[in-house]
Amino acid sequence: EVQLLESGGGLVPPGGSLTLSCATSGFTFTSHGVNWARQAPGKGLEWVSGFSISDEYLHYADSVQGRFSLSRDTSKGTIYLHMNSLRAEDTAVYYCAKSLLGTNGCFESWGQGTLVTVSS
Amino acid sequence: DIQMTQSPSSLSVSVGDSVTITCRASQAIDIHVAWFQQKPGKAPKSLIYSASSLQSGVPSKFRGSGSGTDFALTISSLQPEDSATYYCQQYMRYPFTFGGGTKVEMK
Repeated sequence: EVQLLESGGGLVPPGGSLTLSCATSGFTFTSHGVNWARQAPGKGLEWVSGFSISDEYLHYADSVQGRFSLSRDTSKGTIYLHMNSLRAEDTAVYYCAKSLLGTNGCFESWGQGTLVTVSS
Repeated sequence: DIQMTQSPSSLSVSVGDSVTITCRASQAIDIHVAWFQQKPGKAPKSLIYSASSLQSGVPSKFRGSGSGTDFALTISSLQPEDSATYYCQQYMRYPFTFGGGTKVEMK
């Protein structure tokens, strides 16, 4: 069974840092793109970041470029989103999503999400 | 970036009705479009990929269509459990982008 489990969310002051984890099981994430997306309170969905499975290049939304970074631990099946210089507008539920085999952004399964609140 | 313009932003429907939600891409994206359903407080659920292919386990009342720049999601025989917000998304090119969402409510 495919599972994605996000963790690491919480309350952080503006300018602070936080690392989110997405623990995966039931599939090989080097063959399926795994991405992060977010949803601010009462707003729509926004793609944040992901690995390109063909060349392992890291991609980021302009809104987080230079502040967020991705890493992964293949042995643990876990992907991390390292978030620095957090702003109030980064407040959102962060989801990780698994893509269809061989695709980068065709999401087929989603985690339950983890809430990040940036506030003093 | 590829913009996805979704309409309408909301719909009020009766049980048994059919509805069509449209999504227009700012440039041609072949059939690299997905549709999602999201209920309040829940994660999105994947419905459609490649514009018209049903994700596993999704009932055939959901039908996707389109190619190029114009896409549509049609939901037939609406039931109360179909009340949700629906989003389109393009995955042709980074950054992947979503439509603004369509909230479907039952009268």
